[in-house]
Amino acid sequence: GAVVSQHPSRVICKSGTSVKIECRSLDFQATTMFWYRQFPKQSLMLMATSNEGSKATYEQGVEKDKFLINHASLTLSTLTVTSAHPEDSSFYICSARDWASFGYTFGSGTRLTVV
Amino acid sequence: QKEVEQDPGPLSVPEGAIVSLNCTYSNSAFQYFMWYRQYSRKGPELLMYTYSSGNKEDGRFTAQVDKSSKYISLFIRDSQPSDSATYLCAMSVDFGNEKLTFGTGTRLTIIP
Repeated sequence: GAVVSQHPSRVICKSGTSVKIECRSLDFQATTMFWYRQFPKQSLMLMATSNEGSKATYEQGVEKDKFLINHASLTLSTLTVTSAHPEDSSFYICSARDWASFGYTFGSGTRLTVV
Repeated sequence: QKEVEQDPGPLSVPEGAIVSLNCTYSNSAFQYFMWYRQYSRKGPELLMYTYSSGNKEDGRFTAQVDKSSKYISLFIRDSQPSDSATYLCAMSVDFGNEKLTFGTGTRLTIIP
């Protein structure tokens, strides 16, 4: 089946630094990828929709300048958390749609801890 | 009011029991309904999906959708300890690059 590879799985960074998270679709092309954020014991909240070759669409309340999304190819989307602060600590998950099957395939997630 | 409501649990049942997980929703435009299983610190994996109302069975899992009541269910028969996870319902209006709306997830533990 379709696989979405996400890395790093865990990252700890200092407050004020930037962190890049990569999401790759393996063996299928993804024109659209989705970035979610999940706090402990809470559901996935969509942050933005990443479109290959165009600007991402951000959900209301998500800071575009803080969460930079780049979708430069049909298999790679990146999320960069700029000037990270402790409140940005969370579990970030990407997903992509494989048109060969129904449903959205999720990456394994990235646990970000800002200290 | 949230678009999708799901009891967060936790829910603990003995091995072999039948598990019933449920979600209600308010947006009558939802047509596609999914259940995802999420193990701790992992991304969700798709278990089942259904379109519109009706039942769908896959092995020990049965998904039911009642659009008239805006209510969906996932049943797990002969539950196993490996079924212990968080189960999330998700819905969308359209089939395509449409964002999913998730429930909060129900944390399930199967006791050996």
